[in-house]
Amino acid sequence: SQQGEEDPQALSIQEGENATMNCSYKTSINNLQWYRQNSGRGLVHLILIRSNEREKHSGRLRVTLDTSKKSSSLLITASRAADTASYFCTDLWGGSEKLVFGKGTKLTVNP
Amino acid sequence: NAGVMQNPRHLVRRRGQEARLRCSPMKGHSHVYWYRQLPEEGLKFMVYLQKENIIDESGMPKERFSAEFPKEGPSILRIQQVVRGDSAAYFCASSLADTQYFGPGTRLTVL
Repeated sequence: SQQGEEDPQALSIQEGENATMNCSYKTSINNLQWYRQNSGRGLVHLILIRSNEREKHSGRLRVTLDTSKKSSSLLITASRAADTASYFCTDLWGGSEKLVFGKGTKLTVNP
Repeated sequence: NAGVMQNPRHLVRRRGQEARLRCSPMKGHSHVYWYRQLPEEGLKFMVYLQKENIIDESGMPKERFSAEFPKEGPSILRIQQVVRGDSAAYFCASSLADTQYFGPGTRLTVL
């Protein structure tokens, strides 16, 4: 199906540790995007990585993209309790205008 | 520059009533998208609109649901004769180019 699948489904770590979430997809991408959703809130755009890029940084976030493996990873360094949220990877799969979301990775950062 | 605004944030309706959800896109954005999220699920695309035009409504239920984005004023998602299964969070997003920015959502509860 045309959507990213995040792995693991749930991740629990201690504050200060790094968190790594993975995304696998089946079709080609245009611009892979990562979003965060705090419980009961709207989605916040974190980072966009284009198909010709391999790595991108934004503050404590690092995203990598491997188009040969059709996968991406999101690394959050020095995690904080406020990073507790669900994280989604998505794209305008197939050239459409709609974002297609999987179930996300639910990250819990314990203080 | 204010973000995407949605109102109301919470809406309670009894079965058979109408629900009207409003979305004001970010300033300068002419593309509006509506998504629905059921508990513990990712967002599901409903409809994509530009000013006065529905571009893609492939995710809209065939009956009771309609959307508009008039030349002046916010985009409206209208649900007629609501049923309990319509209870969900409804998110609006707007974009100018590659990235969709989401509003805080409207949580609809049908009693």
